[in-house]
Amino acid sequence: AQSVTQLDSQVPVFEEAPVELRCNYSSSVSVYLFWYVQYPNQGLQLLLKYLSGSTLVKGINGFEAEFNKSQTSFHLRKPSVHISDTAEYFCAVSDEYSTLTFGKGTMLLVSP
Amino acid sequence: GAVVSQHPSWVICKSGTSVKIECRSLDFQATTMFWYRQFPKQSLMLMATSNEGSKATYEQGVEKDKFLINHASLTLSTLTVTSAHPEDSSFYICSARPGQELSALHFGNGTRLTVT
Repeated sequence: AQSVTQLDSQVPVFEEAPVELRCNYSSSVSVYLFWYVQYPNQGLQLLLKYLSGSTLVKGINGFEAEFNKSQTSFHLRKPSVHISDTAEYFCAVSDEYSTLTFGKGTMLLVSP
Repeated sequence: GAVVSQHPSWVICKSGTSVKIECRSLDFQATTMFWYRQFPKQSLMLMATSNEGSKATYEQGVEKDKFLINHASLTLSTLTVTSAHPEDSSFYICSARPGQELSALHFGNGTRLTVT
């Protein structure tokens, strides 16, 4: 069985500050990890994914995440956030052909 | 890029009526589509996996007679909420992928259902 824990339900940050959204997972097999962003009343947009290879993954909108197998983590980072980054962020885990298991989400609140 | 269209984006219905939500893959064929439900400020919960030409696979605890799923073609899956009640009010999101690769999953923009 797989599970995802997003440790922070809400992260407030000032514009142009760095941010890290935390994600820990558990899985009994090889994992595939994803970060999605959801704007109000919309579906999910893929930010980035880790399937294999380099543990540092770069995604869209300046986000990146690092896969750490020993700590079973896949934290999302951005060096400088914008107001437009305000949204809900979901971490998800899967094995290759199974369905996605989502975390509960982290609301990123960027203020001027 | 690949697009998944979901319709309607929002719907209000009276208790006891049925509502149909459509999910279309616009530029690829989707043998598999997924239906999720999202409660306010909570995560997405997988309801069922819709397979073209065969019966949907429902997750534990999801009433198959209440949430009817039809995947009649490679580009269209429908979710019908039958005899809707206020507790069915939620945000429903579909997703689809062109093949078996999970990394190629695309999401619709969701449907906000309000049952009065």
